[in-house]
Amino acid sequence: DIQMTQSPSSVSASVGDRVTITCRASQGISSWLAWYQQKPGKAPKLLIYAASSLQSGVPSRFSGSGSGTDFTLTISSLQPEDFATYYCQQANSFPPAFGPGTKVDIK
Amino acid sequence: QVQLQESGPGLVKPSQTLSLTCTVSGGSISSGSYYWSWIRQPAGKGLEWIGRIYTSGSTNYNPSLKSRVTISVDTSKNQFSLKLSSVTAADTAVYYCARGGAVAYYFDYWGQGTLVTVSS
Repeated sequence: DIQMTQSPSSVSASVGDRVTITCRASQGISSWLAWYQQKPGKAPKLLIYAASSLQSGVPSRFSGSGSGTDFTLTISSLQPEDFATYYCQQANSFPPAFGPGTKVDIK
Repeated sequence: QVQLQESGPGLVKPSQTLSLTCTVSGGSISSGSYYWSWIRQPAGKGLEWIGRIYTSGSTNYNPSLKSRVTISVDTSKNQFSLKLSSVTAADTAVYYCARGGAVAYYFDYWGQGTLVTVSS
């Protein structure tokens, strides 16, 4: 099975900050990677798929990059509604697996 | 707009079978090339994919749970269901149903989730 790791596990940031989260796969997954945002008590929300494609309706301040084993989610200017936990997920190899999450909270 | 809604008992006794149903609205469960998945999340922890079903009845299960999981579909009711047998406290989690693609495991629509507690 492919294992996913994320760093950092948590980050404190202020509104307007640029935030970068890293995800690493234990094996190459080409661009088969998704990013999700989860707020407390809510279901995850798909933000990015295929490593860099923005899901419909997701603000353009979110962007994704990477391929192979190393991936990045960037929030260009953090907004109040962006404080949440972010998960990466490998989407091609069976079984699909999620990273442990990165919590973005208020500095 | 597709919507998913989980339903089922919130409390299950150890060794018994957990049963949940996901009702899909806003579209036919049979339309498009979609797979329908179950995903769970223990409190304060990460997400674990349990398995999926296509409307033909074809299923795939996470090997870590395969011996205990059954997923079925009822297209006439626009529903799919999860059964997890021989549950223990480790199965206590929020259970989500979600829609995924046929080519890749991207989950674009999710239910709100339902908490299932395993306790006597």
